[in-house]
Amino acid sequence: AQSVTQLDSQVPVFEEAPVELRCNYSSSVSVYLFWYVQYPNQGLQLLLKYLSGSTLVKGINGFEAEFNKSQTSFHLRKPSVHISDTAEYFCAVSDRGSWGKLQFGAGTQVVVTP
Amino acid sequence: GAGVSQSPRYKVAKRGQDVALRCDPISGHVSLFWYQQALGQGPEFLTYFQNEAQLDKSGLPSDRFFAERPEGSVSTLKIQRTQQEDSAVYLCASSLAGAGANEKLFFGSGTQLSVL
Repeated sequence: AQSVTQLDSQVPVFEEAPVELRCNYSSSVSVYLFWYVQYPNQGLQLLLKYLSGSTLVKGINGFEAEFNKSQTSFHLRKPSVHISDTAEYFCAVSDRGSWGKLQFGAGTQVVVTP
Repeated sequence: GAGVSQSPRYKVAKRGQDVALRCDPISGHVSLFWYQQALGQGPEFLTYFQNEAQLDKSGLPSDRFFAERPEGSVSTLKIQRTQQEDSAVYLCASSLAGAGANEKLFFGSGTQLSVL
């Protein structure tokens, strides 16, 4: 079984400032890692995923995340946020034998202000 | 359709009523998942279909929850004798193929169920 901890429930940030959302996971098996974004009244959208290979993963909308196996972390970053990045962000894991069966964190609400 | 469609968008039920939530996946998508998202929490896995076969129902919280996908397209999640703790947003997701890390899940906007 896996678990996911998102360390910040809410992150306020000014427009054009950088943002980092923290995610730690625990698992006894190898996992896939994901970040999803949920805009108000919309479905979850995949931002990026780590399957294997390079530990730095680039996603849509200028987001990137780094997989750190020793620290069991998968933090999400964006160097300069826009107002439109205001949304809830979810980190998720799945074990490699159960694709699609995701274990989500509780989410981090990002609020971007001018 | 352009995406995964769920209906109704909102459902209010009295405790003890039965409810049925519908999911129309993207046409041709083989895999279909249901998730439950309680207020302030991340989604939690309920069940998984590959075509009409329910391959994993380990996340269904009780025998009051039942899901079906009889023709391998539309799916219905049924909750019998609803209780207040069933109040949540129910999310449906689909993907084109049966499995594989390179597959992408497409999520619907969800059905918000409120049990009074």
